[in-house]
This record gives sequence, C-alpha cells and structure tokens, in this order.
Amino acid sequence: EIVLTQSPATLSLSPGDSATLSCTANESVTTYLAWYQQKPGQAPRLLIHDASSRATGTPPRFRGRGSGTDFTLTISSLEPEDFAIYYCQQRATWPPETTFGHGTKLE
Amino acid sequence: QVQLQQSGPGLVKPSQTLSLTCAISGELVSSNTAAWNWIRQSPSRGLEWLGTTFYRSKWYYEYAASVKGRIAINPETSKNHVSLQLVSVTPEDTAVYYCARAPLYYDYLWETYRAGAFDPWGQGTPVTVSS
Repeated sequence: EIVLTQSPATLSLSPGDSATLSCTANESVTTYLAWYQQKPGQAPRLLIHDASSRATGTPPRFRGRGSGTDFTLTISSLEPEDFAIYYCQQRATWPPETTFGHGTKLE
Repeated sequence: QVQLQQSGPGLVKPSQTLSLTCAISGELVSSNTAAWNWIRQSPSRGLEWLGTTFYRSKWYYEYAASVKGRIAINPETSKNHVSLQLVSVTPEDTAVYYCARAPLYYDYLWETYRAGAFDPWGQGTPVTVSS
C-alpha cells in the first residue's frame, strides 16, 4: 500500500502569509496526486489534480508542484477562507487502491 | 454540472446492514466517462476509499481490501443513483460516508482503466453504529 505522509500536522499562520504544505509518498506516484480542502461540516473539495493542475474554480494563489514521491501545495497570500484542513490523495495504483494522507490543518 | 445527493439512515445497529444512496444529477450513472465511488471519514481511520463502480460495455466493481466481502456498490440506472451496502457492521464502521465522482479514461500504455481525482462529492452522511 502506498502511504502518504503530510507535514506539518498543523500550520499556524496569519492572513496575508504564504503557506507551504508537504506530502511525501513511500513510493513513486508519478504525478497522480491530488489536493483537497475541507472545512468543518463540509465534504472535501478538489483543489489540484495531477500534481499541478488547478481544478475549476481554484484560485491562482493555490499552486501544486512535485512528482515521484515529493509534493507541495503552496498558498500565497492567505485569505481568511483558506484556513481549513488539506489532504493529499494518490491514484497511481487506482483501481483498485487509492489512499489519502492524514491532513494538514492550516490555522 | 454534476451534483450528488446522499440519503440514508444515520443510525445502524451492530451486525446489521448499512445502506446509503447517492442520487446523481447532471450525468447518467451509466456514463462511460465516470466512476462512482464511496469514501468514508472517521477520526481513527481518516479518509478511506471503500469502492467504485463504472460502466464500459459492462459494469465493473472494485473494492478496498479493508471491506471486501462485506461491501456492495450497486448502480441503479432507472433511478440514476448508486447505492452502498455494508453488511455485518461494527462500531468501527462509524464514520461520515461520502459518494464522489471521478473522471474515467482508458490508459492505452498500461492497458487499464484509470480514474482521476474525486470531484464532486456528496454532502456526506454521518452514520453511527450503536445498539
């Protein structure tokens, strides 16, 4: 099973700051990696797919990079609505297996 | 624009069957460019993909090893929905359950079907397994 490790677990920043979130896989997932944002009481929302492609409606301040085992999500100039939990997900082995990281809480 | 609307009970007794439905609007469940998934989320297990179904001349099904043997995902073309059944539930199956769409395509290099990221998601159904 491909395990995704996200760091840090919690990131404490202020509006206007830049955030860098990390996702590391224990084996290569090429660029089959997605990022999701989840707010309390809501379903996750797709932000980035295939490592660096923004989903429809994702603001340009969200940027995904990486390939192989190391990926980052950078959010420049944080807006108040960006404070949430962010998850990465790999689909390199899907079907039949896809896995998620345990999340980074941006507070 | 695809929208997913979930329904089903929020409380299930141990050893009984959890049944949820995901009504699809904006696309046919039998679309050959979509895979329909169930995912759950709990504090102990995080986000956990449970299974998928998709149609390419016939129906395909894939299930996570953690629930294989207890799970069934069934498309219902007449109602344009997809259902989840999880039998013999225990308190460990307590979670928020989501349905989600993934775009489907054929990877000619690897000669296999692949699906993209999950988008959109249903609103989620909190399910508690308790007597």
